[in-house]
Amino acid sequence: RKEVEQDPGPFNVPEGATVAFNCTYSNSASQSFFWYRQDCRKEPKLLMSVYSSGNEDGRFTAQLNRASQYISLLIRDSKLSDSATYLCVVDANQAGTALIFGKGTTLSVSS
Amino acid sequence: DAGVIQSPRHEVTEMGQEVTLRCKPISGHNSLFWYRQTMMRGLELLIYFNNNVPIDDSGMPEDRFSAKMPNASFSTLKIQPSEPRDSAVYFCASSEQGPGEKLFFGSGTQLSVL
Repeated sequence: RKEVEQDPGPFNVPEGATVAFNCTYSNSASQSFFWYRQDCRKEPKLLMSVYSSGNEDGRFTAQLNRASQYISLLIRDSKLSDSATYLCVVDANQAGTALIFGKGTTLSVSS
Repeated sequence: DAGVIQSPRHEVTEMGQEVTLRCKPISGHNSLFWYRQTMMRGLELLIYFNNNVPIDDSGMPEDRFSAKMPNASFSTLKIQPSEPRDSAVYFCASSEQGPGEKLFFGSGTQLSVL
């Protein structure tokens, strides 16, 4: 099983739609979880951290399900500017080990 | 702050040549990371430093790759000799403390080995 798995998509949605991405991780002891956003030909940038109780930032909601070892990202009222690749990121929970990135889910929002 | 600065932005070289990528982390950040991104494999960690000391280099593909961090404000990733399969985007990132924290990425170096 890969350490961090995501559906690559692409997800093609109209403006205003609600879209959700899931990500599964293999290490049950992982403690840190993030969603990063990467625009075409650009560097990844932190979108939001994911907390155990779930958290919201405007139109974006992140959830963590430890029992099933998955993380989700919900985007409400999609905008054209949300078109990007969304990367799920998890720590490997081994001392001195850096963050592990999923391959990303591509979202395309059209008018 | 200027953010993480990488150079060059693009590098085109011929197989067998030496390639050196450079990175200046954000001032005050204690950890520096080198990642490589390809369509097939996504973002892979190559190596990371904490307080200028290499902590985990298990992602370095082979002996052709080497990385140094002589001081807190500069790091290099060298490939010698380069091969076509090394073609990728190489990102440098830094974080304030350790590996489980928010990463700030540079703009990357697009490497093409012909």
